Amino acid sequence: NAGVTQTPKFQVLKTGQSMTLQCAQDMNHNSMYWYRQDPGMGLRLIYYSASEGTTDKGEVPNGYNVSRLNKREFSLRLESAAPSQTSVYFCASTFVETQYFGPGTRLLVL
Amino acid sequence: QKEVEQNSGPLSVPEGAIASLNCTYSDRGSQSFFWYRQYSGKSPELIMFIYSNGDKEDGRFTAQLNKASQYVSLLIRDSQPSDSATYLCALERASGSARQLTFGSGTQLTVLP
Repeated sequence: NAGVTQTPKFQVLKTGQSMTLQCAQDMNHNSMYWYRQDPGMGLRLIYYSASEGTTDKGEVPNGYNVSRLNKREFSLRLESAAPSQTSVYFCASTFVETQYFGPGTRLLVL
Repeated sequence: QKEVEQNSGPLSVPEGAIASLNCTYSDRGSQSFFWYRQYSGKSPELIMFIYSNGDKEDGRFTAQLNKASQYVSLLIRDSQPSDSATYLCALERASGSARQLTFGSGTQLTVLP
């Protein structure tokens, strides 16, 4: 039981490049989330998915798109990366009161 | 005003002391409150949640909620160096489709041996 997994762990992009962050959970949870964490800013919700086939915007969705591929997988795409998207990205899934977080992806946009 | 405010610290306490972490919030409609711990370079993990006014204890941890004053706190008794981490306060927004959490910016705690 791996919990929530994320790939890649680290990524360096140039401005304007695109990439997809992958997230998968093996706990059969319905709800999944993408957050970004910047120094001094706490965690901010980018997008979430209440269940397979649904996605909704969070607090900071601009510049991102998501896909809930199936119940296990929820991906985050940056179509044209900008330096302001340099951050640590966490995926999470929820069971009752508990959000379980993945290990995070550190993204640097030059 | 931020929805969830925490003193960023750093807060330093000696080993064995009580660490007190505080959080205030602006949305009076918030019903559920959470404390997450995040070690440096790691992901957050849930310590406790609280729904009702008063105290909730779990081992060395006590969460306190006062909805009238709009604050929630976390007490750590007999603090250990392994408690050194950033503590994130979060509240749950009322939402029909999924639980959505709003996090504070965190308080960095250092427990000195």
